[in-house]
Amino acid sequence: DIQMTQSPSSLSASVGDRVTITCRASQSISGHLNWYQQKPGKAPKVLIYDVSTLESGVPSRFSGSGSGTDFTLTIGSLQPEDFATYYCQQTYNTNTWSFGQGTKVEIK
Amino acid sequence: QVQLVQSGSELKKPGASVKVSCKASGYTFSNYAINWVRQAPGQGPEWMGWISTDTGNPTYAQGFTGRFVFSLDTSVSTAYLQISSLKAEDTAVYYCARAGGSRWPYWGQGTLVTVSS
Repeated sequence: DIQMTQSPSSLSASVGDRVTITCRASQSISGHLNWYQQKPGKAPKVLIYDVSTLESGVPSRFSGSGSGTDFTLTIGSLQPEDFATYYCQQTYNTNTWSFGQGTKVEIK
Repeated sequence: QVQLVQSGSELKKPGASVKVSCKASGYTFSNYAINWVRQAPGQGPEWMGWISTDTGNPTYAQGFTGRFVFSLDTSVSTAYLQISSLKAEDTAVYYCARAGGSRWPYWGQGTLVTVSS
């Protein structure tokens, strides 16, 4: 199975900060990487799919990059509504999808 | 619009069984598989497996064989997750989710299953 490892597990940041979250796969997953945002008591919501494609309706301050095993989610200018937990998901192995353990973005 | 609506929270004793439902609407049910995801308290989502809504064939992820059963009632566009011999460590929110292209934009609201004596 492909393991997804995110770093950091949590971070504190201020409104307006640029935030970067990293996701590393245990083997190459080509471009099959999605990012989700989850707020307490809610289901995960797609932000970015296929590494860098922004989901419809998601603000352009969110961006994704990477290839192979190393991927990055960047929030260009953190807004109050962005405080949440972020997960990466690999969809390379179609019968063994897996998620990272999450990165919690908290207010500094 | 696509909707997945799950059944309500459950409180069960260890050793009991639970059945969670996921009713789909807004699309042709048989065209998209249903995935099941477990999220234990404070943890990330964990993919449990999926069921083909065309054939009814389930696929279970490692760690979700034996006590976990996926099923369908296509007449009411509903998928089910049944967990038997419940343990305290089964306490979690369980989600159903449907893919759209290469990502999962459609999720149920989640069902909290609490296992406690």
